[in-house]
Amino acid sequence: AQSVTQLGSHVSVSEGALVLLRCNYSSSVPPYLFWYVQYPNQGLQLLLKYTSAATLVKGINGFEAEFKKSETSFHLTKPSAHMSDAAEYFCAVTRHYSGGGADGLTFGKGTHLIIQP
Amino acid sequence: NAGVTQTPKFQVLKTGQSMTLQCAQDMNHNSMYWYRQDPGMGLRLIYYSASEGTTDKGEVPNGYNVSRLNKREFSLRLESAAPSQTSVYFCASSAVRWGGESYEQYFGPGTRLTVT
Repeated sequence: AQSVTQLGSHVSVSEGALVLLRCNYSSSVPPYLFWYVQYPNQGLQLLLKYTSAATLVKGINGFEAEFKKSETSFHLTKPSAHMSDAAEYFCAVTRHYSGGGADGLTFGKGTHLIIQP
Repeated sequence: NAGVTQTPKFQVLKTGQSMTLQCAQDMNHNSMYWYRQDPGMGLRLIYYSASEGTTDKGEVPNGYNVSRLNKREFSLRLESAAPSQTSVYFCASSAVRWGGESYEQYFGPGTRLTVT
């Protein structure tokens, strides 16, 4: 089974600064990886996904993530933080590798991103 | 196109009471899921239904039952609620692409359940 570790339950950055949210995964096979964002009192929205087509993945709202197999990492970045980026961010991996991946996701515990004015 | 809808949005139960959380999707997805979200724990999978007519246990199934009523609807039942089941419950759905293609899950807005 796969697992995910998100380093840092809270990350604080200044508006306009680089955002870096860390995610490491444990997997014995090539994983499918995802980043989701959750705004207060809302459901989860997909930011981006890694499908093995390209190691650098671009998502919505200016976010991107790089898959590094040697480091088993899938860190999320954004060059310049905006106040509207304040939210909870979750890294997730398919629970088991399978052709369809229909058996759900394993989530990290989340990172709360705080943007300082 | 409403996506994934959940009812109710909020619910307060007393210990021992039962209730059913409803979920429906209008995206013609094959697979549906129930997760619970607790502070500092992320989301944990309770049950899933890979396709209509099948259901399977996830990471934390104890105290819950599910029914895949049809392709659109997937309900979660608490037979005898306990305070430990106080949580936010999310339903999700996905289009499964067989043969190695990735898929993503679409989430509903959640049900906030308090058990006293």
